[in-house]
Amino acid sequence: ETGVTQTPRHLVMGMTNKKSLKCEQHLGHNAMYWYKQSAKKPLELMFVYNFKEQTENNSVPSRFSPECPNSSHLFLHLHTLQPEDSALYLCASSQTSNSAKLFFGSGTQLSVL
Amino acid sequence: AQKVTQAQTEISVVEKEDVTLDCVYETRDTTYYLFWYKQPPSGELVFLIRRNSFDEQNEISGRYSWNFQKSTSSFNFTITASQVVDSAVYFCALSGPGVDTGRRALTFGSGTRLQVQP
Repeated sequence: ETGVTQTPRHLVMGMTNKKSLKCEQHLGHNAMYWYKQSAKKPLELMFVYNFKEQTENNSVPSRFSPECPNSSHLFLHLHTLQPEDSALYLCASSQTSNSAKLFFGSGTQLSVL
Repeated sequence: AQKVTQAQTEISVVEKEDVTLDCVYETRDTTYYLFWYKQPPSGELVFLIRRNSFDEQNEISGRYSWNFQKSTSSFNFTITASQVVDSAVYFCALSGPGVDTGRRALTFGSGTRLQVQP
């Protein structure tokens, strides 16, 4: 148990669906991250939030929309995804975004049909 | 730009063998941090170690040891007397110095899948 919980663990969606991934951390951290892990690529940073403010958007397509209502919760809203978006989406948190020691959740395995 | 290379895609060993996972990195920062994470089948990444660029002392933690060589930009990870429970994907990662550099987040290598056979 790393203190970072992601739901759902698995998600299958069509290209026209709208769904959301949820991440919650119980560590009292102030920074949260979304990473994408594809089968044939290194882990890719998507977004960084520090004290609820987005500080990094790593050129992510607009069909991915993050939301951070408070320091403990992070969402990733998905709409009109493509099959190539199928991947493991990992949430992580750290004390602040200057703290490089990240704690990861177990991820959401997303399949886009 | 930062880059982390893990040239070994997959390694298979028999239990009790020693195994070394290679990691080579590139960065223009003079201050940086290096990490190893373990990703078991359950999916989450588990932090193993963090090293800053000014500390080149090798570190040992139980069966795990790390060899940081700045001269060759390498941060290799050795598991001694491997066990089946060590089977996982291992990621090496690099982070910039932090604080307003825009390079705080981790740059990961592509990972090395380690299979330890009984």
